[in-house]
Amino acid sequence: GQQVMQIPQYQHVQEGEDFTTYCNSSTTLSNIQWYKQRPGGHPVFLIQLVKSGEVKKQKRLTFQFGEAKKNSSLHITATQTTDVGTYFCAGVPYGQNFVFGPGTRLSVLP
Amino acid sequence: DVKVTQSSRYLVKRTGEKVFLECVQDMDHENMFWYRQDPGLGLRLIYFSYDVKMKEKGDIPEGYSVSREKKERFSLILESASTNQTSMYLCASSLGRRGNEQFFGPGTRLTVL
Repeated sequence: GQQVMQIPQYQHVQEGEDFTTYCNSSTTLSNIQWYKQRPGGHPVFLIQLVKSGEVKKQKRLTFQFGEAKKNSSLHITATQTTDVGTYFCAGVPYGQNFVFGPGTRLSVLP
Repeated sequence: DVKVTQSSRYLVKRTGEKVFLECVQDMDHENMFWYRQDPGLGLRLIYFSYDVKMKEKGDIPEGYSVSREKKERFSLILESASTNQTSMYLCASSLGRRGNEQFFGPGTRLTVL
């Protein structure tokens, strides 16, 4: 079946450092979404990428969708303690349901 | 604001019991989903529904069933709970076609003893 992998599984950074998580799908995706889950909370939608090669920014967060529409990345510039949480990508293969990646848990040390 | 509510935040049941998890959304969304979340495995889709009285199996439907009698409500049923069903259960809803953003409920942490 379809698989969506994410690396790294965990990342510990010092506040102010940058952070990147990578998402890879075994199949071509119609779109990819990113969600953030704070400790003790539920996943909250961040963004959706649809076009090949698309890049979107939200303040310190930069999201990219690969040319082949099989991979994506989320980059956070100058992390803050409020960035702590688990970041999930969710791939949507054509005509099928979401496939969530296992997530990357980010810890930010003050 | 989209609101997805789940009947319980924490639930403790015994092996063999029948368990009902309820989910209600107030945004008239067509689509509703049940996931379970386990460490290192992310969110795995159990069942989903695109319309009232309609249901489709997700990736891990074994041991579960669902009911959608009204558009706003989607219930997950564990016919005979087992210890390997101890998990966090998340309900989500979305509007319209497949692939739209999902809105999640707060989750129910179920422990089966």
